[in-house]
Amino acid sequence: DVKVTQSSRYLVKRTGEKVFLECVQDMDHENMFWYRQDPGLGLRLIYFSYDVKMKEKGDIPEGYSVSREKKERFSLILESASTNQTSMYLCASSPAGGGVWSGGQPQHFGDGTRLSIL
Amino acid sequence: QKEVEQNSGPLSVPEGAIASLNCTYSDRVSQSFFWYRQYSGKSPELIMSIYSNGDKEDGRFTAQLNKASQYVSLLIRDSQPSDSATYLCAVNAGGTSYGKLTFGQGTILTVHP
Repeated sequence: DVKVTQSSRYLVKRTGEKVFLECVQDMDHENMFWYRQDPGLGLRLIYFSYDVKMKEKGDIPEGYSVSREKKERFSLILESASTNQTSMYLCASSPAGGGVWSGGQPQHFGDGTRLSIL
Repeated sequence: QKEVEQNSGPLSVPEGAIASLNCTYSDRVSQSFFWYRQYSGKSPELIMSIYSNGDKEDGRFTAQLNKASQYVSLLIRDSQPSDSATYLCAVNAGGTSYGKLTFGQGTILTVHP
């Protein structure tokens, strides 16, 4: 089974802090994703990566950055945490299917990190 | 803006009934379609994938895809209280999307005894 592990289940930080959320997958997947999920707003894509050191902005990248130095690890960084970044953060991964023109494979999610910024 | 729309719900069905969840998508070139189940406070869990027109059955779940109508549905037969969750429809556009998915807002399903 695919295993996507997020470093923390719950996290409490203060405004202005630099926050790191870590995600590791054990299935050699090429694609990795960071989402946030808020009531009434659904899943929103922050950033994704399709290869080591490659990253693309999602729908709501402002206030966030990412790092992918190794294939299995994808980190989300809140540069200067603000209260409006309090949310559930979800990491996901998927294999590349049949090249970049593929219809795509399903994503597999980690357990999520519930982040509170005080 | 590529969109995925789900029936708004919440949907309430009695135990043992068939629950029908619907999803439409706007991007005509979409190639891959997924249904996820998300229990309250948990992360989404993949329950069905479908790639070609027609029906795909897996236990009590049946996914139906009609690309001409840009419509995908999920049927849950013999619904159980444990099926109570939010169901998310997700669509992959293909092309240089690198596996990105567009998610619907979700439909809350409640199965009452």
